[in-house]
Amino acid sequence: GESVGLHLPTLSVQEGDNSIINCAYSNSASDYFIWYKQESGKGPQFIIDIRSNMDKRQGQRVTVLLNKTVKHLSLQIAATQPGDSAVYFCAENGKTSYDKVIFGPGTSLSVIP
Amino acid sequence: GAGVSQSPRYKVAKRGQDVALRCDPISGHVSLFWYQQALGQGPEFLTYFQNEAQLDKSGLPSDRFFAERPEGSVSTLKIQRTQQEDSAVYLCASSLTPAGETQYFGPGTRLLVL
Repeated sequence: GESVGLHLPTLSVQEGDNSIINCAYSNSASDYFIWYKQESGKGPQFIIDIRSNMDKRQGQRVTVLLNKTVKHLSLQIAATQPGDSAVYFCAENGKTSYDKVIFGPGTSLSVIP
Repeated sequence: GAGVSQSPRYKVAKRGQDVALRCDPISGHVSLFWYQQALGQGPEFLTYFQNEAQLDKSGLPSDRFFAERPEGSVSTLKIQRTQQEDSAVYLCASSLTPAGETQYFGPGTRLLVL
């Protein structure tokens, strides 16, 4: 099989700077999107979600932006901290009768102290 | 409970061996999901349970993979005659209801098939 995905896209930011992680999703019919954070050796952890009737949603230090026209999501992290270092996945629901989640390939965020 | 737990955390198997991976979801959660995560990739859906009913098993890669949740709580993912390509982290997640709820993930079981 293919070996794609062994080298995750990596974003390196200085501590205190803002981070922006981008994601393109595939299904124009998806109406619910989630960002997950995964630290080494742990399962994915929910960060923030957004429904398709919104363009922007803010949480604590995080903001998610949704552009349905170009099927693009972004996660903005304000004042990035060393504890933010992890792999970030965007995910979309799979339009079934239950919340089947389809994950994107992930971006590795590295915070430089 | 405190969260989703999985056991064992690590499993080394010889090719051809059968393995069983356990998931303890959060108490009272109706939905339970299994995912497979290869190195450097996002989790990929394997199967979904609503209580004890397995409503979707479209992601199971072959008939060597079998999952059950007989009493609607604990679930077991069984892999028969393991192959090297089965090496991955197997994640379990649960959510309170079938729709519109956050999925909570366990720490995963890292399976290495030699």
